[in-house]
Amino acid sequence: ETGVTQTPRHLVMGMTNKKSLKCEQHLGHNAMYWYKQSAKKPLELMFVYSLEERVENNSVPSRFSPECPNSSHLFLHLHTLQPEDSALYLCASSQGGLAGATDTQYFGPGTRLTVL
Amino acid sequence: GENVEQHPSTLSVQEGDSAVIKCTYSDSASNYFPWYKQELGKRPQLIIDIRSNVGEKKDQRIAVTLNKTAKHFSLHITETQPEDSAVYFCAAYSGSARQLTFGSGTQLTVLP
Repeated sequence: ETGVTQTPRHLVMGMTNKKSLKCEQHLGHNAMYWYKQSAKKPLELMFVYSLEERVENNSVPSRFSPECPNSSHLFLHLHTLQPEDSALYLCASSQGGLAGATDTQYFGPGTRLTVL
Repeated sequence: GENVEQHPSTLSVQEGDSAVIKCTYSDSASNYFPWYKQELGKRPQLIIDIRSNVGEKKDQRIAVTLNKTAKHFSLHITETQPEDSAVYFCAAYSGSARQLTFGSGTQLTVLP
């Protein structure tokens, strides 16, 4: 599947490192999302970008910083992470903007992040 | 905000039997309820969804029911097959929060 791609697929980093996750969607969608998936826990929405605006989950620590340069690309910049940030980070996109948030979300394959 | 609870967390059925997964939600204004299937090592994929203006929707062996009064919705899989083995997530869209809130997932195992 090539609709939503993510790189890298696996990332190991130390707590003092700075790294970035990349997501690209080839579906012509207008909204993109970052989710965190931890074992035994629900998918947690971190950020939403749409044509209109960015929506943030206020519980996301500032060590996670999103960037959306255009409607096809989404980044998640990481710095001074903690071991509890180890998880699968999933990107998703949907057709509508926030007004169309009930559109189907298509997920990327995820980046498996391990923080040592 | 919205709170979605999903049960059971694990479910084992014999091939050919039916499987039912249930979810409850807290925000009475929620109006969209998708179900996602995530196979081991793969991305979540939408399998069926329902909107608040209908009570039931079917797609071959899969059906979803919604009870708005009780604020719960369920996934029904009939004639289960080994390839149905996966983690299933329910979700509810809250207009006030403007986001999908997911349940914690159900690991379904279909035994041959």
